[in-house]
Amino acid sequence: DAKTTQPNSMESNEEEPVHLPCNHSTISGTDYIHWYRQLPSQGPEYVIHGLTSNVNNRMASLAIAEDRKSSTLILHRATLRDAAVYYCILREWGSGTYKYIFGTGTRLKVLA
Amino acid sequence: DAGVIQSPRHEVTEMGQEVTLRCKPISGHNSLFWYRQTMMRGLELLIYFNNNVPIDDSGMPEDRFSAKMPNASFSTLKIQPSEPRDSAVYFCASSPGGSPLHFGNGTRLTVT
Repeated sequence: DAKTTQPNSMESNEEEPVHLPCNHSTISGTDYIHWYRQLPSQGPEYVIHGLTSNVNNRMASLAIAEDRKSSTLILHRATLRDAAVYYCILREWGSGTYKYIFGTGTRLKVLA
Repeated sequence: DAGVIQSPRHEVTEMGQEVTLRCKPISGHNSLFWYRQTMMRGLELLIYFNNNVPIDDSGMPEDRFSAKMPNASFSTLKIQPSEPRDSAVYFCASSPGGSPLHFGNGTRLTVT
């Protein structure tokens, strides 16, 4: 079962920053926090991941709370192409390998 | 690399028929995942493999569903007999052992 909770939907204006929150209060010490997004009619695509420290890449930034029970995906300047469903998931270890359980995600609407 | 390749992209079949979905993971990826996506249930993990061995099939909804991975470059998901409630988009994803998932474009299955 999904171990993350996210708001169902959010809106943002184009060219403004977007902060997408995620709660994962039952996270274990070895679980990595992953973010994926799904554009319309496509499969999910990887955005960013982290364990304890904040992370930056060309797509986004990931801010992780000190107790690791929550995280925030930051899109620095939203564009219309960023309209998608964003999933926060925990990469879990078990049975000798990793698995990824998706929750319901946050549908981001970007307004022109 | 061409990415994860799924076939067919669309499948329309009648109730009771056998359906086989195919997936070619990215070369060198040793983990493979099958997901099903519907509006009602979101993205569900059906089964996953590590080094061609099924690790956890607890997400497979019924005995009508079966999956195989005969070698590192090919996997199938079979539904026999198919039912209208199996209509969904089925995604295959692969990963090089703990690294982020790479998804295919999915197979949209319609069972009439």
